[in-house]
Amino acid sequence: QSALTQPASVSGSPGQSITISCAGTSSDIGAYNYVSWYQQHPGKAPKLMIYDVSNRPSGVSNRFSGSKSGNSASLTISGLQAEDEAHYYCNSYSTTNSYVFGTGTQVTVL
Amino acid sequence: QVQLQESGPGLVKPSETLSLTCTVSGGSISPFHWSWLRQPPGEGLEWIGYIHFSGNTNYNPSLKSRVTISLDTPKNQFSLTLNSVTAADTAVYYCARGAGWYGFWGQGTLVTVSS
Repeated sequence: QSALTQPASVSGSPGQSITISCAGTSSDIGAYNYVSWYQQHPGKAPKLMIYDVSNRPSGVSNRFSGSKSGNSASLTISGLQAEDEAHYYCNSYSTTNSYVFGTGTQVTVL
Repeated sequence: QVQLQESGPGLVKPSETLSLTCTVSGGSISPFHWSWLRQPPGEGLEWIGYIHFSGNTNYNPSLKSRVTISLDTPKNQFSLTLNSVTAADTAVYYCARGAGWYGFWGQGTLVTVSS
């Protein structure tokens, strides 16, 4: 089972909006609305940012939003802040009754 | 607030068995799913498998032949066993609550496979 494809890096200036893409297939992202996104700072455990494509857990800033179109999903961070600099991973359920993560994206705040 | 804490050996020899335990505090094992994930140094995340409080399990197909996840409800713990380890199993191992999305995570524990 192949990992979902994410860009290796995305950057933006403070206050700008950035979008991280997550490309899958008709067997994972395209088949279910079970996409989640995680933020991971160096040396720390991942933190859930979005679940079920576009739902935000309590306590997560509304600057983070998720969407899906066809076999791809996206995470948008608006009003970029220095604290948003981290790795981000997408995750999806698949038709093999298992879960696959994305390759990960390093977000840099310029 | 739910907290999870992994425990177990940090060094395992090749061909031997990796065993980790996750202790859950601040909440009950039921009615949730409980998962194990891992992250090799400098690499991405990999889902290992989960156990439901009922005892049902589901494993990553690529690891299924070597993995067992079990539950000890009275102790509020769940465990991971991975057989016949190689250097490729060297990773930070995380326990987490959920299946598919994970709202609570342990801090992670580094397990190195080396002789």
